[in-house]
Amino acid sequence: GQQLNQSPQSMFIQEGEDVSMNCTSSSIFNTWLWYKQDPGEGPVLLIALYKAGELTSNGRLTAQFGITRKDSFLNISASIPSDVGIYFCAGVIIQGAQKLVFGQGTRLTINP
Amino acid sequence: GAGVSQSPSNKVTEKGKDVELRCDPISGHTALYWYRQSLGQGLEFLIYFQGNSAPDKSGLPSDRFSAERTGGSVSTLTIQRTQQEDSAVYLCASSLAWNQPQHFGDGTRLSIL
Repeated sequence: GQQLNQSPQSMFIQEGEDVSMNCTSSSIFNTWLWYKQDPGEGPVLLIALYKAGELTSNGRLTAQFGITRKDSFLNISASIPSDVGIYFCAGVIIQGAQKLVFGQGTRLTINP
Repeated sequence: GAGVSQSPSNKVTEKGKDVELRCDPISGHTALYWYRQSLGQGLEFLIYFQGNSAPDKSGLPSDRFSAERTGGSVSTLTIQRTQQEDSAVYLCASSLAWNQPQHFGDGTRLSIL
């Protein structure tokens, strides 16, 4: 089955630093999504990417859909304490439904 | 606002017992999904509903797992004869239509003793 490799697994940074994480796959996806999950809560959608090569921003977040449709990255600029959490990439498989295949997550910790 | 609501938020039960987990999707959302998240892992797809029917049950890990949805709204995920490896957070998501973004509930944390 499809698998996503997300890296890094964890990051420890200083407040104000930029962050970059990425996902790769051996399979092609039609859509890439990036979610953030806080402890005890469900994932919240941050950015959705629908076209190969697409670069999309949402405030301090920027994400790109790789041209091969097999990878995506997420950048966070000028990190702040509330950015702490676990970030997941997800690839969308269209098989009569939008089935999401998730990466293993990147745990972001910020030192003030 | 009325997001996806799941209950209970936590469930502790003994091995071998049956459990029922409930999901109330966002009103008007026709598609409903169940996922499982083991500790420190990403989400694993379990089952999808469009209306009351479940065209894709491919993710259910064994025949001890079943789910139903009635009235095109509330869904229950049932795990029979629970095993310790069933311990995880079970997350429900709903979307307005099959091709729309999925919105997640906060999950049910299931612990099997």
